This record gives sequence, structure tokens and C-alpha cells, in this order.
Amino acid sequence: KQEVTQIPAALSVPEGENLVLNCSFTDSAIYNLQWFRQDPGKGLTSLLLIQSSQREQTSGRLNASLDKSSGRSTLYIAASQPGDSATYLCAVEGGKLIFGQGTELSVKP
Amino acid sequence: DGGITQSPKYLFRKEGQNVTLSCEQNLNHDAMYWYRQDPGQGLRLIYYSQIVNDFRKGDIAEGYSVSREKKESFPLTVTSAQKNPTAFYLCASSADRGQGGYTFGSGTRLTVV
Repeated sequence: KQEVTQIPAALSVPEGENLVLNCSFTDSAIYNLQWFRQDPGKGLTSLLLIQSSQREQTSGRLNASLDKSSGRSTLYIAASQPGDSATYLCAVEGGKLIFGQGTELSVKP
Repeated sequence: DGGITQSPKYLFRKEGQNVTLSCEQNLNHDAMYWYRQDPGQGLRLIYYSQIVNDFRKGDIAEGYSVSREKKESFPLTVTSAQKNPTAFYLCASSADRGQGGYTFGSGTRLTVV
């Protein structure tokens, strides 16, 4: 049974810091891994989608990596801003989309 | 703009009442999904449909029903049999059975009064 774990559960950083969010999964038989952002009371916004054959994807200040063999992904956020404050969810697709519990990020001005 | 529209944003249900949550997509995606989100429990799959006129139960289908008469629409009915319906409900769609990634709607918050 696939399990997805995100560490840390919460993170508070000052504005301008570079930061890394971690996601691990137990079954490497996945089609892809997707990172989402969720603001309080809102839906999920897709940030990055990494196919199983890819090692990383980049969008603006965000970079996500995928290491299937070790069951790990990281989301790197460069030069964090208060507007980045949200909950970040990773999810793996291997016939069914399985979510981690999320990392709640707070970026202080 | 292509996307998923969920309505209403907020819904209040009385005890013993059925309510229906709407989900419409214009992404031409074959597959659609309903998730429930509760604090501290993450997202759980209620029902999914990979093609029109076909749908399957997810992990927590009891007390819920769905229909898929059109490709664009996947309404969820929360029946009186659902004992704890207060939650945030999210609809999603995907192409290629998830291999192309998922798109989510903005959610409906259901509260029992």
C-alpha cells in the first residue's frame, strides 16, 4: 500500500530564504508525482508535475526533483516571499492519486 | 480559460436532507474525481469516473452517490446516510487516467446545521 509522508509538517522562515520541502513515498511504481499549493479555504493549485521518467521540473522560483529509486521528492523554493505562505501537498499517481499530509509554510516579512 | 467549476462555495444541510454538489469541467478530460478533506486527515477519495456512464467507489463512498451522464459533469449527492458530512469537498479531473496530472476545483464547504 502506497504511503506518502511530508516533512516538516510546518515551517516558518523569514522572507528571502531559500527552502526545501520533502516528500517520501513507499512504492516506487508510480506514473508521476505532483506538487500542489493550497491556500486556506481554497482548492488545490498544481505547481509542478514530474513524470516518472523525469528527474526534475522547474517553474519560476520553484524546482522539484524526483528520485524514484529512493522514493523521494523535494520542492525547492528560492527567495521565499510572504505570498508563498500556504500548505504544500505532494501526491503520487500509481493507478490512484495518494496525497501526503502537507507542509504548512509561513514566510514572515 | 479551461478549468473546473464547483458550486456552490458554501452549502448548509439540515439533518436528514440530501444535497447535491456540482462539478463541471471544460478541459475535455475523461476522468473525474471527488475528494473529501478533513483537518488532520488529508484528502480521501469518495468516487471516481473514468468514462461517461461509468463510476467506481473510492475509499469512503458510504453515504454518497454520483452520476456521470455527460463528460463535462460529475455531481456528488451527499445523502442522509452520511453520518458526518461536514467537510470540504474537492472535485478533480485528469487526462490519461492521471498520467497527465490532475486539475482541481475551488471546493465546496458543506456544513450540517
